[in-house]
Amino acid sequence: NAGVTQTPKFQVLKTGQSMTLQCAQDMNHEYMSWYRQDPGMGLRLIHYSVGAGITDQGEVPNGYNVSRSTTEDFPLRLLSAAPSQTSVYFCASSYGGQGLGSPLHFGNGTRLTVT
Amino acid sequence: GQQLNQSPQSMFIQEGEDVSMNCTSSSIFNTWLWYKQDPGEGPVLLIALYKAGELTSNGRLTAQFGITRKDSFLNISASIPSDVGIYFCAGQGTGANSKLTFGKGITLSVRP
Repeated sequence: NAGVTQTPKFQVLKTGQSMTLQCAQDMNHEYMSWYRQDPGMGLRLIHYSVGAGITDQGEVPNGYNVSRSTTEDFPLRLLSAAPSQTSVYFCASSYGGQGLGSPLHFGNGTRLTVT
Repeated sequence: GQQLNQSPQSMFIQEGEDVSMNCTSSSIFNTWLWYKQDPGEGPVLLIALYKAGELTSNGRLTAQFGITRKDSFLNISASIPSDVGIYFCAGQGTGANSKLTFGKGITLSVRP
């Protein structure tokens, strides 16, 4: 089982560049989400989706866009990267969505550095 | 929004020792989850708790859902070097508290 797959694993960007972090899951999970992890800050929710065609903002959405055209994929876009977006990004999915208390399954993360 | 408090930020123990971590919330939760993150990887679910007072074990790990529904505890017995990592608690309530909220994590180090 692949579970939640994130690519790339590492990325370095210059300020102002754009890029897309990819996330795919093969568990037929309806709920998918993006978190960022910063030292001393824990995991903070960026955006989430409860199903194909539906997305919503989390705790720290500014500077990020998402779309959910299929159940399997949930890419995260940085339109104009800033040094404050240097972080480790995790994609996570679950079967029943957060409202049903379904545990999240995480990918292995993308480590992004913006210079 | 609701906050989860995990402290201390770091813990250092000797191999073979038991260790206990707790997580407290300002809000009532219906679900408590404990995750472990190994270096360079994503968090992995250790234990899920769905009922106040529930006590659940997973090998050397035991977690409890507090009676007040505002706290949870994780105990690790007879620690081993591979227990090192970051331990996150996460809680979920209803209504305005329905989004899963994570604590900031406790970094555990185990000295051989």
